[in-house]
This record gives sequence, C-alpha cells and structure tokens, in this order.
Amino acid sequence: NAGVTQTPKFRVLKTGQSMTLLCAQDMNHEYMYWYRQDPGMGLRLIHYSVGEGTTAKGEVPDGYNVSRLKKQNFLLGLESAAPSQTSVYFCASNRLGTDTQYFGPGTRLTVL
Amino acid sequence: GDSVTQMEGPVTLSEEAFLTINCTYTATGYPSLFWYVQYPGEGLQLLLKATKADDKGSNKGFEATYRKETTSFHLEKGSVQVSDSAVYFCALSDQTGNQFYFGTGTSLTVIP
Repeated sequence: NAGVTQTPKFRVLKTGQSMTLLCAQDMNHEYMYWYRQDPGMGLRLIHYSVGEGTTAKGEVPDGYNVSRLKKQNFLLGLESAAPSQTSVYFCASNRLGTDTQYFGPGTRLTVL
Repeated sequence: GDSVTQMEGPVTLSEEAFLTINCTYTATGYPSLFWYVQYPGEGLQLLLKATKADDKGSNKGFEATYRKETTSFHLEKGSVQVSDSAVYFCALSDQTGNQFYFGTGTSLTVIP
C-alpha cells in the first residue's frame, strides 16, 4: 500500500495563476482532509470530505475549492493564487468510525 | 470553539534527558486527544492517543494521560534519543469526529 500520496511535491506559482493539488489514498478511507501548515500556526483545516461527492468547509476555506469525484481522490484547487497561500499543504484520510488520521508527505507551494 | 494550546519551542535536550511538552485543550463534550510527530521532510504520523478521561496513551517510550480536570494531555518521555528529534503536535477531534484541531507544534532537538 502506498498510503496517502500527494502530487506535486513542490510548486512555484505567480500571483493570479491557478493550480490543482491531488491527494490519493489506497486504503479505502471514507474521510479525507486538506490542511495548510504555516510557521507558528500549526495545521489548519481548509476543507474536508466525509464521502464521495461530499465536501465541507473547514477553518480556512477562502480562496480554495475542492472536489471528491472518486472515493480515493481529493483535489484542492486554487483559482487565483495569492502570496498569502504560500504554505505547505497536507492531505490526510481516515476510515469511517476511527479517529486516526494518515497523512501524505506534503506539497510545498510558493506564490510569488 | 475547540482549540489546542501547546508549549512553544524550540526545545533542545541532551540525550537521555527527561522530556515534557505541555498541551491543554478547550473543547465541547469529550474529545479524543492525540500526539502526532513530524520528522523532517515528512507528513505527520500518529504517536499516541487517548479517547476518554484518565486514559494513558503510550508508544515508543512516550506517554500522555488524558486529564479532564485540568484539560491537559502532556507528552512525556523518560530518556530521549537523538532519533526523537522532530516536531510534535498535540491535537483533538471534535464531538462529530469529523474535524481535528492541531496545536502549533513544538520542535525538539536532542543532542548527543
């Protein structure tokens, strides 16, 4: 099992550009999450999904959109990137009825 | 709302020293509590957890006890090793079990 994988690992964008981050898990988990990690602020939840076709807002959803068309994939989109979105993004998943999250290795995004 | 406050770092210890990282929480109801560890360049991994008051989570020589009366979940290890150098995050899951809240992280460096 690969666990939770994230694509890409690194990306540099210019202000106003768009991009999509892909998270994939092969553990058949129902729940998936996107977090951002910033210095001195820990991890903050952006959006999450409790199942295929469903998404919900977390603590800091503005400027991001998500989609969960397939159970194993959770996409995070930035329509018009801003320097404030420079961060490390982590995807996580867990099985319904359990509370142990499994994290991907992260994507480091820089917006110039 | 729910939140986690943990001791700020960085923390530097000599090998075989005693480690304590403080964590307190604010939550509605009875959350589950977690410690995650992040090694350089990697995603977070679950270190230990406790799901109800007075439970003790333990793993790899680390321990933490769920104290409802003081709303705390302090991480301890009796004798740290160089390989324990990492960032440690305290976290809780809310009543729904759908959302997780993380502390800001505490960086630990253990020197030989």
